[in-house]
Amino acid sequence: EDQVTQSPEALRLQEGESSSLNCSYTVSGLRGLFWYRQDPGKGPEFLFTLYSAGEEKEKERLKATLTKKESFLHITAPKPEDSATYLCAVQASGTSYGKLTFGQGTILTVHP
Amino acid sequence: DAGVIQSPRHEVTEMGQEVTLRCKPISGHDYLFWYRQTMMRGLELLIYFNNNVPIDDSGMPEDRFSAKMPNASFSTLKIQPSEPRDSAVYFCASSLEGTPRGAGELFFGEGSRLTVL
Repeated sequence: EDQVTQSPEALRLQEGESSSLNCSYTVSGLRGLFWYRQDPGKGPEFLFTLYSAGEEKEKERLKATLTKKESFLHITAPKPEDSATYLCAVQASGTSYGKLTFGQGTILTVHP
Repeated sequence: DAGVIQSPRHEVTEMGQEVTLRCKPISGHDYLFWYRQTMMRGLELLIYFNNNVPIDDSGMPEDRFSAKMPNASFSTLKIQPSEPRDSAVYFCASSLEGTPRGAGELFFGEGSRLTVL
């Protein structure tokens, strides 16, 4: 069974204090790993897709990286508007398009 | 485009009542997904459709749950009879296979928060 574990469950940062979120996964074969952002009362919003170990993607203050067992979401000099829940999801090889398994998420709070 | 539209946003009902949640996907998208989110279990895939055809309903918890997609612009998720443990936020998402940003780019609606008393 595919499993996704995210840590920490919650992270509090001061504005400008860089940090990383972790996503560990267990799948029979990785077709893709995805990061989403979810604001309170909203649906998840797609951020990145990573396909293979060593791949990196960047968007503003966020950078996602991938190894064979985990992915990191690095947040550089965060701002209060980066506060949200960050979700990691995987799609296993051999599964149908779009069938994702999500982790429980990391709740990020950035204080001004 | 207006994005994925879900209704109602909030539903409070009593145990045993029928609940129908509605979803309008983004025009042109060929996949539609129903997810459920709870604090305990996170986001769980219930069922998904491709070109209006149900592909995988293995996540539907019980026979009390059913979903339909009569056309490309409308889907429903029905719970009958509802139970308190069905209380959750239900999300609908749509996507287009072959999108340049890759598989897994799902567009989620804002969700329907269901409370069963």
